[in-house]
Amino acid sequence: AQSVAQPEDQVNVAEGNPLTVKCTYSVSGNPYLFWYVQYPNRGLQFLLKYITGDNLVKGSYGFEAEFNKSQTSFHLKKPSALVSDSALYFCAVTGDYKLSFGAGTTVTVRA
Amino acid sequence: SAVISQKPSRDICQRGTSLTIQCQVDSQVTMMFWYRQQPGQSLTLIATANQGSEATYESGFVIDKFPISRPNLTFSTLTVSNMSPEDSSIYLCSVEHSSGRGAYEQYFGPGTRLTVT
Repeated sequence: AQSVAQPEDQVNVAEGNPLTVKCTYSVSGNPYLFWYVQYPNRGLQFLLKYITGDNLVKGSYGFEAEFNKSQTSFHLKKPSALVSDSALYFCAVTGDYKLSFGAGTTVTVRA
Repeated sequence: SAVISQKPSRDICQRGTSLTIQCQVDSQVTMMFWYRQQPGQSLTLIATANQGSEATYESGFVIDKFPISRPNLTFSTLTVSNMSPEDSSIYLCSVEHSSGRGAYEQYFGPGTRLTVT
């Protein structure tokens, strides 16, 4: 079985401040980890993924995520948040081809 | 990445009726997926659709309620049958994209927002 936990329903930050969205996972074998973003009334957009190799992966829109095997975490980060980053963020994991999604974290960046 | 379109983008339907959602991809793909996103919730996989074979349904979803067609490598349909208000959701299709390194991210269509009255 595989699962993802996003412990925070909401994250609020001021524009220009660092943004972190937390994710922990459980999967048999090697994990493939993903972050997606969903803007209002739109589908999901792929941000980044971890397969193997460097624990810090860089993705779209200035986002990055750090894979930590010992803590089974894959937190999403952005050094300086923008108002336009306000959206719903989903972490996902797979050990085969089926994605399991977390419950999502709503990010609000205030001007 | 693949460009995915869905029709309709939204619909309001009466209970007891059926709605067929179309998903079109701009390139040939092996695996297509259908998800449901209920209001305020995460995505749940309904089924995996491979061309030339029967769709594989996840626990809690059955073919009689959600029949799927996959006639070719660029197209799929999902029908929501005998609808009830509990079927009000966003339905999304996705396709698998190979990066060539053995892990496949999925790209999603814009979704179909269904409201059942």
